[in-house]
Amino acid sequence: AQSVTQLGSHVSVSEGALVLLRCNYSSSVPPYLFWYVQYPNQGLQLLLKYTSAATLVKGINGFEAEFKKSETSFHLTKPSAHMSDAAEYFCAVSAANSGNTPLVFGKGTRLSVIA
Amino acid sequence: SAVISQKPSRDICQRGTSLTIQCQVDSQVTMMFWYRQQPGQSLTLIATANQGSEATYESGFVIDKFPISRPNLTFSTLTVSNMSPEDSSIYLCSALQGTEAFFGQGTRLTVV
Repeated sequence: AQSVTQLGSHVSVSEGALVLLRCNYSSSVPPYLFWYVQYPNQGLQLLLKYTSAATLVKGINGFEAEFKKSETSFHLTKPSAHMSDAAEYFCAVSAANSGNTPLVFGKGTRLSVIA
Repeated sequence: SAVISQKPSRDICQRGTSLTIQCQVDSQVTMMFWYRQQPGQSLTLIATANQGSEATYESGFVIDKFPISRPNLTFSTLTVSNMSPEDSSIYLCSALQGTEAFFGQGTRLTVV
């Protein structure tokens, strides 16, 4: 079984400040890990994914995440927040190498960016 | 990457009626899924839509309430039956291509 815990349902940062959204996972098998972003009234867009290659993954819009097996974490970061980054962010996990399994999502973190 | 068209984008329905949501993918995909996202909540998997066989439902979801069709590798429908206000939610279609899941824009359902 797999699960994801996102610490903090709401994070608020100033424009230009570091963005850090936390995600911890639980998986009995090697995981694939994902971050998705959801803007108001829109579907989910993939930001980045970890699929057992490089542990530091770079995604779109300047975001990156680092897979740390020892900490079972996959935190999302961005050096400098923009107003346009305000959205809901979801961390998700699936089972690597098991083929065709659905994603299990965390509860989401709403990011607010203050001017 | 796969592009998913989902419709309707939103609807307001009377309680006791049914709504069918359609999901069209622009390429053949092996796996399609249906999720529900209640207001302010995360995504909960309803079922896996299997091509050529019955859908596989998650705990708490049943076929009589959420019948699903998957007639081919690019199309699926989800019906929300005998609706009540508790069914008000966003319903999302997802398709798996390789290691990446793609999502439709969602259907925002309000039951009055």
